[in-house]
Amino acid sequence: DAKTTQPNSMESNEEEPVHLPCNHSTISGTDYIHWYRQLPSQGPEYVIHGLTSNVNNRMASLAIAEDRKSSTLILHRATLRDAAVYYCILRDSQGAQKLVFGQGTRLTINP
Amino acid sequence: SQTIHQWPATLVQPVGSPLSLECTVEGTSNPNLYWYRQAAGRGLQLLFYSVGIGQISSEVPQNLSASRPQDRQFILSSKKLLLSDSGFYLCAWKPSGASEAFFGQGTRLTVV
Repeated sequence: DAKTTQPNSMESNEEEPVHLPCNHSTISGTDYIHWYRQLPSQGPEYVIHGLTSNVNNRMASLAIAEDRKSSTLILHRATLRDAAVYYCILRDSQGAQKLVFGQGTRLTINP
Repeated sequence: SQTIHQWPATLVQPVGSPLSLECTVEGTSNPNLYWYRQAAGRGLQLLFYSVGIGQISSEVPQNLSASRPQDRQFILSSKKLLLSDSGFYLCAWKPSGASEAFFGQGTRLTVV
C-alpha cells in the first residue's frame, strides 16, 4: 500500500483557516487521495477525496500538488466541532478494495 | 437510504471467553465490508475486509476471525479473548467501486 505521512498533531484557533498537510511520495497514478476525520468516541466520517484537481465541498477543500506527492486539507473557518483526528489515505481505483488508515493528525481548536 | 448497524456499543468480557460482534448493512447490496480495531490513543488498524459472501481477507494474523454468512452481514469472532484484544472495534461498508466508506458507531471492548 502506498504510504502517507502526516504530522501527529496540529493546533489552531476558532474561526481561522486550518491547513492539514499529507505527504504521499510513493503515490501511483491510479491512487485517489481520501480524507476522513474521527470525532472522539465515534467512527471516522468521510470528508473529501480527489485524484489530480483541487476539490471543494461543504466540509472542506482539498489542494493536490501538481506532482501529486502531497496534498493539503483546508478547513476554511475552523469551529470547535472540527476538533478531531484527520486521516489522509490512498485508495487504488483499480483492484484492491481495502482502506488502510495511518496515524492521522490530531487537530485541536482553541476557542 | 443505507444504514449500518453495529452492536453492542460496549462490552466487557473476561480473558479466555469467546467473542462475537455483528455488523449489518441495510439499503444496499454487495457492499465491501471492513473490520477495524483502534487501541486507546492509537490509529485504526484494518483487521479484515470482504468483497463478497464467504470472501474474507485477513490483514493481521491474530486471535480473531471474520465471517460473512450473508451479503450484508459481517461477523467478528474470537474463541478465546486476550487482554490485548481490548479496543474500539469499528465496522465499515463501502459500495463496490465507490470512494466513500461509511462507519458504524463502534463497539468498545474491554477484556478483563
